[in-house]
Amino acid sequence: AQSVTQLDSHVSVSEGTPVLLRCNYSSSYSPSLFWYVQHPNKGLQLLLKYTSAATLVKGINGFEAEFKKSETSFHLTKPSAHMSDAAEYFCVVSPLYGGSQGNLIFGKGTKLSVKP
Amino acid sequence: SAVISQKPSRDICQRGTSLTIQCQVDSQVTMMFWYRQQPGQSLTLIATANQGSEATYESGFVIDKFPISRPNLTFSTLTVSNMSPEDSSIYLCSVRGGGSGYGYTFGSGTRLTVV
Repeated sequence: AQSVTQLDSHVSVSEGTPVLLRCNYSSSYSPSLFWYVQHPNKGLQLLLKYTSAATLVKGINGFEAEFKKSETSFHLTKPSAHMSDAAEYFCVVSPLYGGSQGNLIFGKGTKLSVKP
Repeated sequence: SAVISQKPSRDICQRGTSLTIQCQVDSQVTMMFWYRQQPGQSLTLIATANQGSEATYESGFVIDKFPISRPNLTFSTLTVSNMSPEDSSIYLCSVRGGGSGYGYTFGSGTRLTVV
């Protein structure tokens, strides 16, 4: 069975400090992994994705994530938080890499707050 | 990546009525997915809609409650039938991106409130 666990339901940082949002996954197959962001009253936006190429994935808005198979982790980081980063972040696993099925499994989300 | 137009963006409905949500994609896609996001919760897959065949529903979701149409490769509808306040959620459609990206694109969502 596939699953994804976001270890923190809420993370609060000060503007200009680093961001770390933690995600662990479980998958029987080589997974595809994604991070999505959802701003209040907005749709989901893809931040970045891992599909078995480089293990360090760079996304939009300065975010990046590192796939660590030995730790089954895919943590999201950003060196310096901006007020506009305040949002809900979802770690997502697609267990069927390269297949035609598209069943995404979402983590419960981490709400990021950024203090001035 | 694909662009999805989803409507309505929000609606307030009376209990016992039905609401049909539409998603239009700017390119042909084999599979479209419908998700529900209950207040303060993550997304849960309702069903997968294939063109030319019946939708495949996830555990806990049934066709009578959430009938889906998929008349062509660019369009799908989800109906929330006989609504109750427990159906108040955000409903989103999604398609898988083309090319080598394997990313998924989501519609902007329909925020449904049932009173």
